[in-house]
Amino acid sequence: SQQGEEDPQALSIQEGENATMNCSYKTSINNLQWYRQNSGRGLVHLILIRSNEREKHSGRLRVTLDTSKKSSSLLITASRAADTASYFCATIRDGGSQGNLIFGKGTKLSVKP
Amino acid sequence: DARVTQTPRHKVTEMGQEVTMRCQPILGHNTVFWYRQTMMQGLELLAYFRNRAPLDDSGMPKDRFSAEMPDATLATLKIQPSEPRDSAVYFCASGLHRNTEAFFGQGTRLTVV
Repeated sequence: SQQGEEDPQALSIQEGENATMNCSYKTSINNLQWYRQNSGRGLVHLILIRSNEREKHSGRLRVTLDTSKKSSSLLITASRAADTASYFCATIRDGGSQGNLIFGKGTKLSVKP
Repeated sequence: DARVTQTPRHKVTEMGQEVTMRCQPILGHNTVFWYRQTMMQGLELLAYFRNRAPLDDSGMPKDRFSAEMPDATLATLKIQPSEPRDSAVYFCASGLHRNTEAFFGQGTRLTVV
């Protein structure tokens, strides 16, 4: 079952614009992660934010986490055509000894040159 | 260059046949995930292992699917008998330990006719 739900399902922007994707989840989490998937390829980890963190940066990526609203956002600044891909959030639940990584359905980003 | 290796990359089989997918996790990683990806359902977690022990296989249809880790360098996912609805891309991923990011293989694209 999906834990995270991304919004929007699809996003089309021009090169140079910023892209913002949102993720909502249902349970308490240990951490939330964002992944990227190019068509026909495996997923690649982008960034991990822990439940006690509110914001994290990595290059042109900025991730925020609001645990009170159970939501996260991924911002890609100054987008490039090469950023065209699907982006997924994934969560690991808090507590217990599991560590299951549960994915949402993703946002399909298209960056037009 | 450490990576998760999955074999085969593509498999076409007839309904009723047994299918075995293999995964070599990154050396030293102690968590292994199996996912199934379809357009309709997205990424579904089928099984999760830590230190070769299955911790969660609740997402896996038990009557036909089985997942094992015969040793630390090999994880297998078997479907017997296969059905057309099993057609999907199956991903294996490994992680260094609980609550960390996952590294994905390139997937096995299964088509059951």
